Amino acid sequence: GENVEQHPSTLSVQEGDSAVIKCTYSDSASNYFPWYKQELGKRPQLIIDIRSNVGEKKDQRIAVTLNKTAKHFSLHITETQPEDSAVYFCAAKLSGGADGLTFGKGTHLIIQP
Amino acid sequence: DTAVSQTPKYLVTQMGNDKSIKCEQNLGHDTMYWYKQDSKKFLKIMFSYNNKELIINETVPNRFSPKSPDKAHLNLHINSLELGDSAVYFCASSPQLAAYNEQFFGPGTRLTVL
Repeated sequence: GENVEQHPSTLSVQEGDSAVIKCTYSDSASNYFPWYKQELGKRPQLIIDIRSNVGEKKDQRIAVTLNKTAKHFSLHITETQPEDSAVYFCAAKLSGGADGLTFGKGTHLIIQP
Repeated sequence: DTAVSQTPKYLVTQMGNDKSIKCEQNLGHDTMYWYKQDSKKFLKIMFSYNNKELIINETVPNRFSPKSPDKAHLNLHINSLELGDSAVYFCASSPQLAAYNEQFFGPGTRLTVL
């Protein structure tokens, strides 16, 4: 099955700086890579996703890049704000679709004022 | 207008008991899932249901049984609860089984086994 590694487990940045979270996946058959944000006590919510036929996608301060050859993808948050503090999860889904999402272990992002 | 709802939000019970968690989605989605989030926040897929048929069962003990009376509901029944079952359980749904569909999560059920 698929295996997703995520780093770092904790990331502390100054407000206004950028944050980068990296993930690698093992199964080359995966073709969908979403990122979820989970605030304390809340449900995971999708913030951005990317398909395997795209190398980069941007939505305001958030961007995701995908390198299929190296099997890694990254989340970039620019101009970080206090409300960006949360746990972020990367995930991968196999092209067959029968499996659910395989998640990374999460990154606790802390925005220092 | 909640898209994916779960009940109860909190569940505290004794070891050995049997309990159920209910999930409903009003999005008209074909596929529903159950995920378990442990104390370290690790999210892991337990089951997928597509049009009332079980698609996968990821090494989950057979004490856990998903039940889907119709496409909008996927309930989770747990027999003989153990301490290790304590976790937050999330239900989710997606439009279709295809890979590119966003999954929408319910609010979660925090299960505590004493």
